[in-house]
Amino acid sequence: DAKTTQPNSMESNEEEPVHLPCNHSTISGTDYIHWYRQLPSQGPEYVIHGLTSNVNNRMASLAIAEDRKSSTLILHRATLRDAAVYYCIHRPNSGGSNYKLTFGKGTLLTVNP
Amino acid sequence: EAQVTQNPRYLITVTGKKLTVTCSQNMNHEYMSWYRQDPGLGLRQIYYSMNVEVTDKGDVPEGYKVSRKEKRNFPLILESPSPNQTSLYFCASSSEGEGTSGLHFGPGTRLTVT
Repeated sequence: DAKTTQPNSMESNEEEPVHLPCNHSTISGTDYIHWYRQLPSQGPEYVIHGLTSNVNNRMASLAIAEDRKSSTLILHRATLRDAAVYYCIHRPNSGGSNYKLTFGKGTLLTVNP
Repeated sequence: EAQVTQNPRYLITVTGKKLTVTCSQNMNHEYMSWYRQDPGLGLRQIYYSMNVEVTDKGDVPEGYKVSRKEKRNFPLILESPSPNQTSLYFCASSSEGEGTSGLHFGPGTRLTVT
């Protein structure tokens, strides 16, 4: 199974950058790295994904290590609305397992005002 | 509006009484899947479907059935619910070649089996 490792919890202050780490040592060459977040009482929502290069979108940035065994989700200026559980997963991209996803427990991000 | 809808949102039932949780998406996505979320266990995949009439087991399929007769719908069926199936359930969909696109999740269905 495709497994990732994330810290159980992290804390940040409002308006400061947040770096959320993820280890995915079993990742294979064609797996994509996806990040999702889940706000309280809501379903998970897609944040960002990438393969090898760093990626930016309106929500966050994704920095991928050169060996691809780890990645970091960067929230440039945390707001109270960013308080959520953040999940890192990798998408096996080979045959039938392409559609099987394993989410871990994620990282609970607390943002202090 | 592009969305994944689930019904019902809340359900309390008794052991052994068959139930179906519906999931529908309006984005013409090929891929759909079901997850359950339990405290301390994160999100676990139950079943997934790569297209109409194509389904496969996830990590925790025991006690569940699914069907994919139409592209937009992917119902989750509990033939004989038990208390250990009390959980928060999420349906999700995405376009094919999912490695390159994100999942869209529904709002969740909170199921209690007594």
